[in-house]
Amino acid sequence: EVQLVQSGAEVKKPGESLKISCKGSEYSFISYWIGWVRQMPGKGLEWMGIIYPGDSDTRYSPPFQGQVTISADKSISTAYLQWSSLKASDTAMYYCARCYDSHDAFDMWGQGTMVTVSS
Amino acid sequence: QSALTQPVSVSGSPGQSITISCTGTSSDVGAYNYVSWYQQHPGKAPKLMIYEVSNRPSGVSNRFSGSKSGNTASLTISGLQAEDEADYYCSSYTSSIVVFGGGTKLTVL
Repeated sequence: EVQLVQSGAEVKKPGESLKISCKGSEYSFISYWIGWVRQMPGKGLEWMGIIYPGDSDTRYSPPFQGQVTISADKSISTAYLQWSSLKASDTAMYYCARCYDSHDAFDMWGQGTMVTVSS
Repeated sequence: QSALTQPVSVSGSPGQSITISCTGTSSDVGAYNYVSWYQQHPGKAPKLMIYEVSNRPSGVSNRFSGSKSGNTASLTISGLQAEDEADYYCSSYTSSIVVFGGGTKLTVL
């Protein structure tokens, strides 16, 4: 089955680091972009950034530039979203999703990873 | 890049038609035909309903249609059904990134 499978829920403390993952299966991982979308509790969708696993070309939305790092390992068809120092305001559901070109719609989504940051 | 503007909520009765607007600027909605619409039920991941302004992915009901005029895109749902009750988000490409709308809660009365 063509799908994106994300890593499980995380509970972390402020200041800790975190890397969550998104694994693609049953499609050519290097032929599609992978984007990350944040949804804070009770709020709307926010486009964070996108990566092309084929050559690691990465773009970030200005509010997220410098706050997170998006990366990918094409050898294992996996994209990552990483924080070096979490804040309570990072508490949210994070979705990965794929699109064929960077301007395209996200045609397939992962199930989401809930990140909770609390002291 | 500001979020696109959507009404907070819309409602309609079964069988009726509703339209959700998505207002941007000449730098996003008005500049590109890369407007998409997503449906999100509570606790679920979003689902693509419309891409490139008016195209429906395979498997999406033809009750869903999209259009654009100037800086405003619209999603129309005809023949409302109870299962259409959900949050709807528009998005648009702009200057190498994508921006979402704030979302609209559709209530089927």
